[in-house]
Amino acid sequence: EPEVTQTPSHQVTQMGQEVILRCVPISNHLYFYWYRQILGQKVEFLVSFYNNEISEKSEIFDDQFSVERPDGSNFTLKIRSTKLEDSAMYFCASLTPGTGPNTGELFFGEGSRLTVL
Amino acid sequence: AQSVAQPEDQVNVAEGNPLTVKCTYSVSGNPYLFWYVQYPNRGLQFLLKYITGDNLVKGSYGFEAEFNKSQTSFHLKKPSALVSDSALYFCAVRGVYNFNKFYFGSGTKLNVKP
Repeated sequence: EPEVTQTPSHQVTQMGQEVILRCVPISNHLYFYWYRQILGQKVEFLVSFYNNEISEKSEIFDDQFSVERPDGSNFTLKIRSTKLEDSAMYFCASLTPGTGPNTGELFFGEGSRLTVL
Repeated sequence: AQSVAQPEDQVNVAEGNPLTVKCTYSVSGNPYLFWYVQYPNRGLQFLLKYITGDNLVKGSYGFEAEFNKSQTSFHLKKPSALVSDSALYFCAVRGVYNFNKFYFGSGTKLNVKP
């Protein structure tokens, strides 16, 4: 069964450092997402991406965050200057194609745990 | 605006007993509703969805959910709980005007005790 893969599974970084989280969405999916989850609690939307550009972003997704799809398969989330409060589990997701009655569902990766010291 | 609410942070149930995890929604228009499960240190996994048709939707691992339009609810149910069902459960609704936006509830932790 196709799956969304994320790397690294865990990253520890110093405050102020840049971090890149990588995701390989399912190949025939068109919409991609980043979510984050702090301490196993609420799942917070960060950004959605379609056709090589940001479709929507939340208030959390400020100027220190960026996303790109550099090579047609990888989908990356960059945090330019990490802060302590960026420590969280970051999930990538992609959306199965479909509209109306065949409305697709999100497929999530296993997550990248970011620890900022 | 679209949103879902999960009124219980935690649900405790004994193994073998029926379980219910509650979700209510607020949507202008026809709702597209989903349930996801998250096991410890794992990503969210799709369980089931309601799009249209039969109000009782069956999903993975023996779970089902009942769509109730008059009560704007979409409760997750299982007739007989297993210890392995212990996990975090999230209800979600898909945007009516933006099909590609999903709104997640705050999650309910299900504890099934032997």
